[in-house]
Amino acid sequence: DQQVKQNSPSLSVQEGRISILNCDYTNSMFDYFLWYKKYPAEGPTFLISISSIKDKNEDGRFTVFLNKSAKHLSLHIVPSQPGDSAVYFCAAYSSGSARQLTFGSGTQLTVLP
Amino acid sequence: DTGVSQDPRHKITKRGQNVTFRCDPISEHNRLYWYRQTLGQGPEFLTYFQNEAQLEKSRLLSDRFSAERPKGSFSTLEIQRTEQGDSAMYLCASSLGHREVTGNTIYFGEGSWLTVV
Repeated sequence: DQQVKQNSPSLSVQEGRISILNCDYTNSMFDYFLWYKKYPAEGPTFLISISSIKDKNEDGRFTVFLNKSAKHLSLHIVPSQPGDSAVYFCAAYSSGSARQLTFGSGTQLTVLP
Repeated sequence: DTGVSQDPRHKITKRGQNVTFRCDPISEHNRLYWYRQTLGQGPEFLTYFQNEAQLEKSRLLSDRFSAERPKGSFSTLEIQRTEQGDSAMYLCASSLGHREVTGNTIYFGEGSWLTVV
């Protein structure tokens, strides 16, 4: 049972345009969500997070939106740069029970110059 | 560098051998996690320590796997009698957790690649 789903395994975007990466979750106990970026042969690097008490969090070019009723979150990258090309993982956390992150399967973003 | 440090970065071993990975978390982080990642998948939780206490273990952690954090600082993950299915990247992560704070950011190391031949 996949509790965090990233249904798009890959996404290609032109440099300078917006990249939108999507994530859906099923566990209503999740109350904190994080996005990680991962290059090959490296560990995930934390990008941005959002608590379930918010619906938007912004950090520079990165904005995460949370729609609790739809159990959906998205990561927007504007403007996209070639250096953003990587695998992006959505992860969720329930502070009230288990302490571990549950990850989606990732989306490979390719930003074309 | 004050990030999460893992050693070795790569390990090739023959089936049946034992391997041990070490993780040094970010200084003063009281929580330490081990994850495993295979190609095409997201990281999967293995186990979690708060200080020296191992508080949770995944069903993925068979009896061939053991993790320790003896002094609440560095941790080791040992795999005994390795099998080809153990080939994966083993990720360590740490965070500064407080009971009253929700959603502490978890920071990952660069991972230890294991290849069992």
